[in-house]
Formats: sequence, C-alpha cells, structure tokens
Amino acid sequence: SYVLTQPPSVSVAPGKTARITCGGDNIAIKSVHWYQQKPGQAPVLVISYDSERPSGIPARFSGSNSGNTATLSISRVEAGDEADYYCHVWDGMSAHVVFGGGTKLIVL
Amino acid sequence: EVQLVESGGGLIQPGGSLRLSCAASGFSVTNKYMTWVRQAPGKGLEWVSVIYDTGNTDYADSVKGRFTISRDTSKNTLYLQMNSLRGDDSATYYCARGIYCSSVGCYHGSSWAIDSWGQGTLVTVSS
Repeated sequence: SYVLTQPPSVSVAPGKTARITCGGDNIAIKSVHWYQQKPGQAPVLVISYDSERPSGIPARFSGSNSGNTATLSISRVEAGDEADYYCHVWDGMSAHVVFGGGTKLIVL
Repeated sequence: EVQLVESGGGLIQPGGSLRLSCAASGFSVTNKYMTWVRQAPGKGLEWVSVIYDTGNTDYADSVKGRFTISRDTSKNTLYLQMNSLRGDDSATYYCARGIYCSSVGCYHGSSWAIDSWGQGTLVTVSS
C-alpha cells in the first residue's frame, strides 16, 4: 500500500516561513490535500489538489508538489498556526485514502 | 451552511456492536462522497470507509468485513455499523464530506479531498 511520510515535528519562529513535507513514491502524479488540526478540534482542510486554498484559508498557506515530495508552506507564521498538519492522497491502486502520520508545528 | 453532527459513540465491550450516525444539513448526503475517519487518542488520522455518490462503498483493510457504511436519503443521515469491535477500534470517529472537483476539473472516481468534518464521536472498546 502507498505510504506517506511526514516529519514528526517542525519548529519555526514567529514571522518566519514553516515548511512541512510529505514524502511518497512519485507523489507528484497524485493530488495532495492538507489538513490542520488544533487540539480538541476536528481537522480543517487548508490546501486541496496540491495548491488550492479553500475559502477562508489565509493566503499565507500554500502548497506545492514535485518529484517525491509535497510541501505545505506557511509564511509569516503566527502562534495560532501551532497545530498538527496531515497530508492525504488517494491511492489509485487500492482505491483507498491514505493519510500521512502528521506533523506537529511548533511556534517558538 | 454545511453541518455534520455525529452520535452513537460510547463504551462497548470487545466483540460488541455499535452504530454511529451522522446527521447532515446544508446539502444532500446522496449527492456527495461521505466518509468516516477515525483517530485513536494521541494518534494520527486513519481513514475508515467511504460511500460514493453512486452508492458504491469501500473500506480500510482493518475494518473490512466488520464495518458497514450506509446512508438514509429520507433522513439525510450517514451511518457506520460496527461489529466485532476490538480494542484497537477505540477512537474518535469523524463523519466527513468528500469533494472531487478542483478549480481546473473534476476527478470522479479518483482523487478527492475532505472539505467538511463533524465534531467527532468517541468510541471506547473495553471490558
């Protein structure tokens, strides 16, 4: 089955840019979606189809996908961005949804 | 406004059964992909099951043969029937809606994202 690999945590200072990666075999041919989950809350879609921002998501959030790595970038990081972030793809071989293990964004 | 409200969680003994419900409003569950995603305490997200707009269904290997997803059009409600429950089924279960169109096209039958989530219902399997 298809595997997505995320770093357990990423630390960033306020005002800087955070980059959270999601690795997968030739992931560039798949569409990657990203979710933000704050403690005690349901996940929220922040990026769909590699780089599209749903309504209401700040322009500070952006996504890219190339080669074996998809990346969620958060510019001008704020304390309120501290959360767990998950990537997600649809695996055509199994017809199943696959989530990455999640990355905890720590704002220093 | 899209709203998803889960119910039916609770404490259940191993081997028991439970049915989760998800009342939807603001859209029709019949016209969308509807899915269940679970999250064990302190762990990541795990996809459980989906029912497509066509009525076709699919399941994660970990629940296949034990769980059944269904929907009731008249009640606009999604269900998850869970049988032969095990300790590793303990989790918060989220009901969610899937979308398969981006700004440049639609991908029916392939890639889809989850654009709306319920607040979750906790299932604890323990004796």
